[in-house]
Amino acid sequence: GAGVSQTPSNKVTEKGKYVELRCDPISGHTALYWYRQSLGQGPEFLIYFQGTGAADDSGLPNDRFFAVRPEGSVSTLKIQRTERGDSAVYLCASSPRGGPNTGELFFGEGSRLTVL
Amino acid sequence: DQQVKQNSPSLSVQEGRISILNCDYTNSMFDYFLWYKKYPAEGPTFLISISSIKDKNEDGRFTVFLNKSAKHLSLHIVPSQPGDSAVYFCAASRQYGGSQGNLIFGKGTKLSVKP
Repeated sequence: GAGVSQTPSNKVTEKGKYVELRCDPISGHTALYWYRQSLGQGPEFLIYFQGTGAADDSGLPNDRFFAVRPEGSVSTLKIQRTERGDSAVYLCASSPRGGPNTGELFFGEGSRLTVL
Repeated sequence: DQQVKQNSPSLSVQEGRISILNCDYTNSMFDYFLWYKKYPAEGPTFLISISSIKDKNEDGRFTVFLNKSAKHLSLHIVPSQPGDSAVYFCAASRQYGGSQGNLIFGKGTKLSVKP
């Protein structure tokens, strides 16, 4: 499809396990963003890539969270030693250029993570 | 400490009438504001934006008003249609001096437009 693709759409895991969430942005979009949405809240910024590099990772909650975008296209969000509080919908977005003020973000449908 | 606040969790409007969704912000450094719409099980989709150098931006049935002195913005939908029923998120960012990737979202307002 032409939109942002995220896999898996749903992931159930046990506390302490390792999880990877994948994002395939719109072709040609140089900027890629990860957000997290907990129940009853708005999306919360995690990290922003411009090309292969993380331009801003100030939203990552702690060192259990890590994200990569090795070839400037697909990105993987990695969560180590998952905790119940990590349960949320993880949203990926892309845009043609960097910065939300230069154009809107195109969001995927999200990956719902449940940590038991 | 929420920097972007949407104090009404829900709003119900009759089809054909005006819907007004409100948003307040606390950080005076914010200079770019956006509204996103979200349907269940889908990601948010961009609706309309406004720069702090303007006080109004219009796109079809959607108009966003910005009052910088009050740190308040609102989204007007007129006429409202049943297909507008969704959760609406207000978001803000700093164009200069801040991360351009970091949108700060409110908690959202669920709009229900009744036929």
